[in-house]
Amino acid sequence: AQKVTQAQTEISVVEKEDVTLDCVYETRDTTYYLFWYKQPPSGELVFLIRRNSFDEQNEISGRYSWNFQKSTSSFNFTITASQVVDSAVYFCALSVNFGNEKLTFGTGTRLTIIP
Amino acid sequence: NAGVTQTPKFQVLKTGQSMTLQCAQDMNHEYMSWYRQDPGMGLRLIHYSVGAGITDQGEVPNGYNVSRSTTEDFPLRLLSAAPSQTSVYFCASSPLESGANVLTFGAGSRLTVL
Repeated sequence: AQKVTQAQTEISVVEKEDVTLDCVYETRDTTYYLFWYKQPPSGELVFLIRRNSFDEQNEISGRYSWNFQKSTSSFNFTITASQVVDSAVYFCALSVNFGNEKLTFGTGTRLTIIP
Repeated sequence: NAGVTQTPKFQVLKTGQSMTLQCAQDMNHEYMSWYRQDPGMGLRLIHYSVGAGITDQGEVPNGYNVSRSTTEDFPLRLLSAAPSQTSVYFCASSPLESGANVLTFGAGSRLTVL
């Protein structure tokens, strides 16, 4: 069975600070995909990134960066120079079924950026 | 493009009533699914479909029915609503591609069962 743990339930930081959201996953499959989704106050989930288990390169997209470490089964998400618009609930998710998408979601981290 | 459209956005039911949550997508996606979101539990998969005429159960299917008569539509039916089904429901779709698919989510439907 698959499991995704987001131990940080809520985080608050002052605007312009950096913040890292933790994600730890469990799976016995050697081939899997990891995702991050953002749920802003409007409620709709927005895709941020997909990473497969064979690609451990870190990725940077603007102020966002992701650190994938198979050795610790972690896929952490860092926001640099946070902005109020980053306030949202962020979900990490895992998939081992390709084509029959059955995402296993973490419980989410609510991030509040204080102006 | 409208993407994934869910109706209604809000609904209040009494225990034992039935209702259908509608989901439609205009992206010609083969894969469609329903998740429910509950506080402290993330999103859990209810049912999914990989094409018209094909449906299967997810993690929490009890109390829900689905059908897929067209590529565009994937309604979720509650046969006899219970308070435990109070939740926010999300429909999501994706094309079937190699590797894990990126889901496009609808805006959600908030259901309260009294």
